[in-house]
Amino acid sequence: NAGVTQTPKFRVLKTGQSMTLLCAQDMNHEYMYWYRQDPGMGLRLIHYSVGEGTTAKGEVPDGYNVSRLKKQNFLLGLESAAPSQTSVYFCASSYSGPRGVYNEQFFGPGTRLTVL
Amino acid sequence: QQQVKQSPQSLIVQKGGISIINCAYENTAFDYFPWYQQFPGKGPALLIAIRPDVSEKKEGRFTISFNKSAKQFSLHIMDSQPGDSATYFCAARSTDKLIFGTGTRLQVFP
Repeated sequence: NAGVTQTPKFRVLKTGQSMTLLCAQDMNHEYMYWYRQDPGMGLRLIHYSVGEGTTAKGEVPDGYNVSRLKKQNFLLGLESAAPSQTSVYFCASSYSGPRGVYNEQFFGPGTRLTVL
Repeated sequence: QQQVKQSPQSLIVQKGGISIINCAYENTAFDYFPWYQQFPGKGPALLIAIRPDVSEKKEGRFTISFNKSAKQFSLHIMDSQPGDSATYFCAARSTDKLIFGTGTRLQVFP
């Protein structure tokens, strides 16, 4: 099992350019998440999905869009990149599971994005 | 309030010492409190998690202490090792989402 994979690993964009980050998981997880990690700010949830065809906003959704057309894939799009979106982006996935247990979120290796 | 406050921001401990990281929260609806460990260049990975009806959970050298009335929880790393040098994040779960603390960079020197 590859677990959670992210493509690309690094990317440099110019302000106003667009791009799509791809997250794939082979664990048959229902839930998938996109986070951004910035120094001193921890991990902040951008968007998440509780199943194929569904998406929802997290803490910092502005400037990003997502799609979950297939259960195993979760795409994060930047329509018009801004320097404030320079960050490390992590994808994660987990089982839905019963309410009384903690279902671990498995994280990908991250994508380092720089917007000039 | 959907925040989780974490301290200290950085921590330097000598090998064999005890590392302690603290977190505080406001939302009583949080139903799980995990800790994640992140090594440089890697994604975070679950270290240990606790429910709010349990006051302590221990896994090897790692222990979570939970104080429900104070809305605080902490991670204790006993006999800290250089291999424990990493960034640690506390988190709280709210309806399938995690709210993360800002992280603590731990450095353990031999």
